[in-house]
Amino acid sequence: DVKVTQSSRYLVKRTGEKVFLECVQDMDHENMFWYRQDPGLGLRLIYFSYDVKMKEKGDIPEGYSVSREKKERFSLILESASTNQTSMYLCATTRVGNEKLFFGSGTQLSVL
Amino acid sequence: AQKITQTQPGMFVQEKEAVTLDCTYDTSDPSYGLFWYKQPSSGEMIFLIYQGSYDQQNATEGRYSLNFQKARKSANLVISASQLGDSAMYFCAMRVPNFGNEKLTFGTGTRLTIIP
Repeated sequence: DVKVTQSSRYLVKRTGEKVFLECVQDMDHENMFWYRQDPGLGLRLIYFSYDVKMKEKGDIPEGYSVSREKKERFSLILESASTNQTSMYLCATTRVGNEKLFFGSGTQLSVL
Repeated sequence: AQKITQTQPGMFVQEKEAVTLDCTYDTSDPSYGLFWYKQPSSGEMIFLIYQGSYDQQNATEGRYSLNFQKARKSANLVISASQLGDSAMYFCAMRVPNFGNEKLTFGTGTRLTIIP
């Protein structure tokens, strides 16, 4: 089975801090995604990457950046965390042309 | 732009009854894929079923089936003989090919509660 590992299950940060959310996958998948999930809004795509050093903005990229230096690792960066970035963050991965996404277990980020 | 609409924020269903969760979609691309995911209270996202836009038959996976009506742009999930373990959030999603840069667009979800 594909394993997608997110570094933290729960994270509490202060406003203005720089925050790194890490995601690692073990199946050599090309595509990796960062979503945030908020009640009533479903999952919204922040950024995605289809290859090393490649990235594309999703639907809500403002306030975020990403890094993909190695194929298996996709990092989400909050340059200066704000309270409205309190959310559940989900990483996902898939091979090009594959039917389904494989998700990590999520990181619940609270920004105080 | 692609859009997925789930109009049922919450549903309560008696155990052993069948359930239909609604999903409509909008895309101008003739090639696309439709997905359903389940998210129990533990938070993990579980893939349930997939339907390709060119598939002639409705997809089925055990107790799950996808009622695909292309002309109406709907992709409803049907769960037969519901069980208490079916209580969860359910998300409909769509993927449109984009030169290998495919991304999934999700709906807002339906919270299903099965009543004993």
